[in-house]
Amino acid sequence: AQTVTQSQPEMSVQEAETVTLSCTYDTSENNYYLFWYKQPPSRQMILVIRQEAYKQQNATENRFSVNFQKAAKSFSLKISDSQLGDTAMYFCAFHGEGAQKLVFGQGTRLTINP
Amino acid sequence: ETGVTQSPTHLIKTRGQQVTLRCSSQSGHNTVSWYQQALGQGPQFIFQYYREEENGRGNFPPRFSGLQFPNYSSELNVNALELDDSALYLCASSPRGDGETQYFGPGTRLLVL
Repeated sequence: AQTVTQSQPEMSVQEAETVTLSCTYDTSENNYYLFWYKQPPSRQMILVIRQEAYKQQNATENRFSVNFQKAAKSFSLKISDSQLGDTAMYFCAFHGEGAQKLVFGQGTRLTINP
Repeated sequence: ETGVTQSPTHLIKTRGQQVTLRCSSQSGHNTVSWYQQALGQGPQFIFQYYREEENGRGNFPPRFSGLQFPNYSSELNVNALELDDSALYLCASSPRGDGETQYFGPGTRLLVL
């Protein structure tokens, strides 16, 4: 069974700083998808970024980018120029190709301080 | 384009009762998945519905059941509620063939007393 591990329960940075959230996963599959979701206090899980395992190029979405290391089974999220609105729980998630479910990590609580 | 919606937003039940949670999928999405998120935890997969059929199930007992309707909306039913069923229940929809991206609704917070 796949597992996802987020080793940083909490992180805190100053506004405008860059922060990196870590995620590792375990799978024997070759094709799969990885995601970062953001869950603010409003509770809604919001998609931040998605990476297909067969793509070597790291995904980017505006201030958000990932460092995908397939051999190391590592998938970190970098937030540049952090903003107060980035304060939230961040979840890393794995989806096997053809599978039904997302497998989530335990989450990292990120606080951006003014 | 309307996103995923869920109702109700909050619910309080007592142990042993039954509850029904509802979800409307995003326009164009034919697949609905349900997750349970306990406080301080990541979501756990309950089951998925595709074209009105259950299409995969997580490690949840049979008292967790569901339905999907022709318009792709869905219900999650939980019978014989237990205290441990207190959680945030999240619904997610996805279009088949999109590469597995799931889009979530705002959730229903269930408290069992």
